[in-house]
Amino acid sequence: QVQLQESGPGLVKPSQTLSLTCTVSGVSISSGGYYWSWIRQHPGKDLEWIGYISHTGNTYFNPSLRSRLTISVDTSKNQFSLKLTSVTAADTALYFCARTNSGWYYFDSWGQGTLVAVSS
Amino acid sequence: DIQMTQSPSSLSASVGDRVTITCRANQHISRFLNWYQQKPGKAPILLISAASNLQSDVPSRFSGGGSGTDFTLTISGLQPEDFATYYCQQSYSAPYSFGLGTILDIK
Repeated sequence: QVQLQESGPGLVKPSQTLSLTCTVSGVSISSGGYYWSWIRQHPGKDLEWIGYISHTGNTYFNPSLRSRLTISVDTSKNQFSLKLTSVTAADTALYFCARTNSGWYYFDSWGQGTLVAVSS
Repeated sequence: DIQMTQSPSSLSASVGDRVTITCRANQHISRFLNWYQQKPGKAPILLISAASNLQSDVPSRFSGGGSGTDFTLTISGLQPEDFATYYCQQSYSAPYSFGLGTILDIK
């Protein structure tokens, strides 16, 4: 059974870079067949898809975040990562990683989420 | 970008009731519509994909329907564990977007 676990700092200062890693177990990212997404949930509870990466490193980003966003994959560690630069308070959210069906683009397995606050 | 509108935003019901939540897209999305359940402090769980495909391990009292722009999630015979927040999500085109959620609580 696939499991995902987010990790990273819970507090980031304004203008700095938010970095998170998702460790996947139960399935190999390199086996393909899925995309791997980042999704965030703001304190008001609305959900926002951030972007995804394939096992080969192909990415697709939400245009609203594209200029600040990097998503990378490390198949040797079965991990994928997110970097979001120049953060502001609006980036404060619960960040989830999720497995993404490559045909229908639904999110069938999620990590438990990690809360990131942007504050000085 | 595709906008998703859910209604109602909140709903009170009793155990055993049948409830329906509606999700509307502002453009045609075929059947690329998915439903999730989220409980406090937990990640969302996929209930239904492609408008009506019930995920394994999801009870059959959950059902989904619709195509094009209008979709429904129906729960027939509410159980205590069903009181949660429900979200729809369109996966027709990126950026994939969610509705604002429907909070289902106990009357």
